[in-house]
Amino acid sequence: SQQGEEDPQALSIQEGENATMNCSYKTSINNLQWYRQNSGRGLVHLILIRSNEREKHSGRLRVTLDTSKKSSSLLITASRAADTASYFCATDASSASKIIFGSGTRLSIRP
Amino acid sequence: DGGITQSPKYLFRKEGQNVTLSCEQNLNHDAMYWYRQDPGQGLRLIYYSQIVNDFQKGDIAEGYSVSREKKESFPLTVTSAQKNPTAFYLCASSIRGSRPDEQYFGPGTRLTVT
Repeated sequence: SQQGEEDPQALSIQEGENATMNCSYKTSINNLQWYRQNSGRGLVHLILIRSNEREKHSGRLRVTLDTSKKSSSLLITASRAADTASYFCATDASSASKIIFGSGTRLSIRP
Repeated sequence: DGGITQSPKYLFRKEGQNVTLSCEQNLNHDAMYWYRQDPGQGLRLIYYSQIVNDFQKGDIAEGYSVSREKKESFPLTVTSAQKNPTAFYLCASSIRGSRPDEQYFGPGTRLTVT
């Protein structure tokens, strides 16, 4: 079962530019999380935003959540080569004891 | 140095053989999870355990089995009944099983079955 879907599937930008990725989901949630995965590695948690929050910042990351549209966006400002990775959103259903991952956005930063 | 360890990093098996993937955590987390990831895809949940001696099937449990005899350990057995077992397997844990927040991931095991 797929709860979150990321858009775009792949994104290539120049170093220094901002990168924006979007996530849409289907059912009501308690929270939405974003994770990063470098090639062939495990996932690393980036940020969690709760359903009663609209925006959250962490360093160069900015996450927004629009529960009326069932969507979230992840903005990475001033991108660096090290930001090259896949980014996944993950959501929980309101009554669930598990989280469900989307299919991810592959971000490439060109030098 | 707390975290989740998975071993081995690469595993090769012949078709028809069962294989067990190890996952250990020293974070004192209640909940543990097994995911499967195919190339260019997201993660699909195989099994999860909210507490010792209890576990539930995820979305793709057929052909897999687990046990949770200790809080620190959640091994996954890929049985010969799993029709397409070649994949990247990720183990994760979270502080609690009910309404989980952040999950902590191991480095993964890449299984190749020929």
